[in-house]
Amino acid sequence: GAVVSQHPSWVICKSGTSVKIECRSLDFQATTMFWYRQFPKQSLMLMATSNEGSKATYEQGVEKDKFLINHASLTLSTLTVTSAHPEDSSFYICSARRTPNRDNTEAFFGQGTRLTVV
Amino acid sequence: KNQVEQSPQSLIILEGKNCTLQCNYTVSPFSNLRWYKQDTGRGPVSLTIMTFSENTKSNGRYTATLDADTKQSSLHITASQLSDSASYICVVSGPGGTSYGKLTFGQGTILTVHP
Repeated sequence: GAVVSQHPSWVICKSGTSVKIECRSLDFQATTMFWYRQFPKQSLMLMATSNEGSKATYEQGVEKDKFLINHASLTLSTLTVTSAHPEDSSFYICSARRTPNRDNTEAFFGQGTRLTVV
Repeated sequence: KNQVEQSPQSLIILEGKNCTLQCNYTVSPFSNLRWYKQDTGRGPVSLTIMTFSENTKSNGRYTATLDADTKQSSLHITASQLSDSASYICVVSGPGGTSYGKLTFGQGTILTVHP
């Protein structure tokens, strides 16, 4: 199956600093990638849809200036958590779909990034 | 409001036993339903994906069923193994038209397999 890789797998940062998380589709092109956030024992919550070459679409309640998304190529999207605070500590997961405009296209998930802000 | 409800919330079984996880959804219109396995601290991995017209789909020891009339799905795990211990997530996709269908996630069922 297709592979989506996230980096880093875990990161600890100081409050007030910024952290960048990378999401790469290793063996296919993804014009659209998705960023999720997951708190312990809860379901994945969509944060934003990342579109190659254009602005990301953010879900209601997600601060676009705090969670910066860049989708500069067909295989790479980055999520930068700016001025991180302890409440931003969470598990961040990206996913990518292989082909646009097909609803039953498989969604492949990265392995996730555990962010801890101290 | 589109929702996906899973039951039970958690389940403990002995190795070698079978189990069935349930998923009820209210997402409408509906495009497809997916089951994912998520190990602790990892991203979800796809088990099955079913469209409206499919009633059952198997992937090794995993068999998913879908009743689009009652909006119910189940995931049956046969001859469980210790490595089956994970969270199993039901995800329903609405039709996307010219864009990707929005995925609605269930809260997951945490399965623990004991030796």
